[in-house]
Formats: sequence, C-alpha cells, structure tokens
Amino acid sequence: QKEVEQDPGPLSVPEGAIVSLNCTYSNSAFQYFMWYRQYSRKGPELLMYTYSSGNKEDGRFTAQVDKSSKYISLFIRDSQPSDSATYLCAMKNSNYQLIWGAGTKLIIKP
Amino acid sequence: EAGVTQFPSHSVIEKGQTVTLRCDPISGHDNLYWYRRVMGKEIKFLLHFVKESKQDESGMPNNRFLAERTGGTYSTLKVQPAELEDSGVYFCASSKNSYEQYFGPGTRLTVT
Repeated sequence: QKEVEQDPGPLSVPEGAIVSLNCTYSNSAFQYFMWYRQYSRKGPELLMYTYSSGNKEDGRFTAQVDKSSKYISLFIRDSQPSDSATYLCAMKNSNYQLIWGAGTKLIIKP
Repeated sequence: EAGVTQFPSHSVIEKGQTVTLRCDPISGHDNLYWYRRVMGKEIKFLLHFVKESKQDESGMPNNRFLAERTGGTYSTLKVQPAELEDSGVYFCASSKNSYEQYFGPGTRLTVT
C-alpha cells in the first residue's frame, strides 16, 4: 500500500469553478503537508505548506489538513486556464524526507 | 535571483554507459536534495546534502549511484553503469530551511 494516495485524474472543470484536490495518507506521524504545482517539463513549485491540522489560505488557494481522517485538500477558487497543471501533495516523514502523491492533472477549460 | 539549474535537460545513453547529472542550487542554500521520478510512479527521495555533507542518502537505490557536493556548492549525481530501470526524471531541489524546497526543471534520463 502506498503511503500517500492521490487520484491522477485528469480532472477537467470549466473556468471559474471551485476545484477540490485531495490526498489521503496512512502514516499518522506525518506533520508537514505540502502542495506543489508542476507545469509540463518544469520542476515542482511549492504552492503552500501547512503544519498539523487546520486551514491555510493564500489568495485563491486554501489548504486543509484533517489529521484525524488522514486527509488533505487543496481548494482553488475562481479557477483560471493558467491553473491547468499537475498538482502534487507531499508530506514530511520522521526522517524529514518528502513522501509524494502521484499528482493530479488538472485541466481548466476556458 | 537565479533558480535551481540542472544540466543536461535531457540525456540518452546506452545501458552500461556512465552519465553525470549536475545541479546548481540557489546561492546561499545549504540544503540540496536529489529526487527521481520513474515513469508512472511517484517522485522518490534519493538523498540530502547539508553543505558538502550527506545528511541522508537512504533513498539511493544502489551503489551504481554516486552523489557529490564538493565545496558545498553544486552537486553531481553519477550513474555508473546505467541500467534500463534508471530511466526517469531526476530533480534537484535546494532550500535554506527544510520546508520550502525550490526545484530545478529536472534532467530526463533515457537508458536504451
């Protein structure tokens, strides 16, 4: 079983819609949770990171962590075609290594 | 400020050959990481340097992989001899702290 599960998609939504991206994990020791965005042929770019449970907002992006359910989410409001990319969740284990999800390909249709 | 750079962007080699990948981190970043993504799989951690010292190399797949960071600046990752299963995208990242890692564009390695 993978430590981090993420639906690879693709997820296709119309412009302006609210997007919900999710990951589940099995290791209760994970404390730091990250969301990265990756455009084609580029490296991952850190969008947000959160520590433990709760919400964090940055502009149109909201990251949510529910440690009791081992579930994290990234919400994108007022989605734009430029948001089309692969979104990866990553979590830090007790050795401070990043454990990654497979990435969800997001397509925003104009 | 220049970002993390990696060279080459793409390398095609035959099985049994040697390849050396290079990573130049952001200036002032003591932490340097190598990751690999094999097609169809998740990104996997390979190793972590703090300055010139290997902090954690537990992700290195086997002794055909050798990473160095002489002088604590740029890093190289050598694969010798390359095998077919080494094909994938190799990412380098650097950071000042352990949270915000900045990634390079990756080197796409194809072993034929």
